[in-house]
Amino acid sequence: KQEVTQIPAALSVPEGENLVLNCSFTDSAIYNLQWFRQDPGKGLTSLLLIQSSQREQTSGRLNASLDKSSGRSTLYIAASQPGDSATYLCGGSNYKLTFGKGTLLTVNP
Amino acid sequence: DAGVIQSPRHEVTEMGQEVTLRCKPISGHNSLFWYRQTMMRGLELLIYFNNNVPIDDSGMPEDRFSAKMPNASFSTLKIQPSEPRDSAVYFCASSPYQADNEQFFGPGTRLTVL
Repeated sequence: KQEVTQIPAALSVPEGENLVLNCSFTDSAIYNLQWFRQDPGKGLTSLLLIQSSQREQTSGRLNASLDKSSGRSTLYIAASQPGDSATYLCGGSNYKLTFGKGTLLTVNP
Repeated sequence: DAGVIQSPRHEVTEMGQEVTLRCKPISGHNSLFWYRQTMMRGLELLIYFNNNVPIDDSGMPEDRFSAKMPNASFSTLKIQPSEPRDSAVYFCASSPYQADNEQFFGPGTRLTVL
């Protein structure tokens, strides 16, 4: 059974800082890994999808990497802004998404 | 594209009542998922449809829960009878082709069972 863990559970940083969110999974036989953002009381917004054959994906200030052999993915956010404050969730898919509990990110002005 | 549409956005009901949640997936998407999110358990998959057929319902908690997808543009999740422990946010998501494609989530239905 796939288990996904996200560390840290919460993170508070000053504006402008670069930061890394971590995601680990137990079953390396995943098809892809997807990072989401969730604002309070809202649904999930897909940020990046990394297929199992890929090592990383980039979108603007976001970069996500995937290392299946070690069961890890990281989400790198460059030059953080207060608008980045949200909960970030990773989901590993071996046909169905299994989610971590998320990292609550607060970027302080 | 309007994205995944869910209704109602909020539902408050009393224990024992029937609750029906609705979802319209993104047009052209072949896979549809129902998830439940709680503080204690996080996000959990309840059921997955592909081409309107239920593929995996192992996450459905018990017989009180049922889901249908009568056509490619509509799905329902029904709870009968509802219990206070069913209180959660229920999300519908869709993806093109199959489950290992990128999933797109609806805004969710916040259910409160008194």
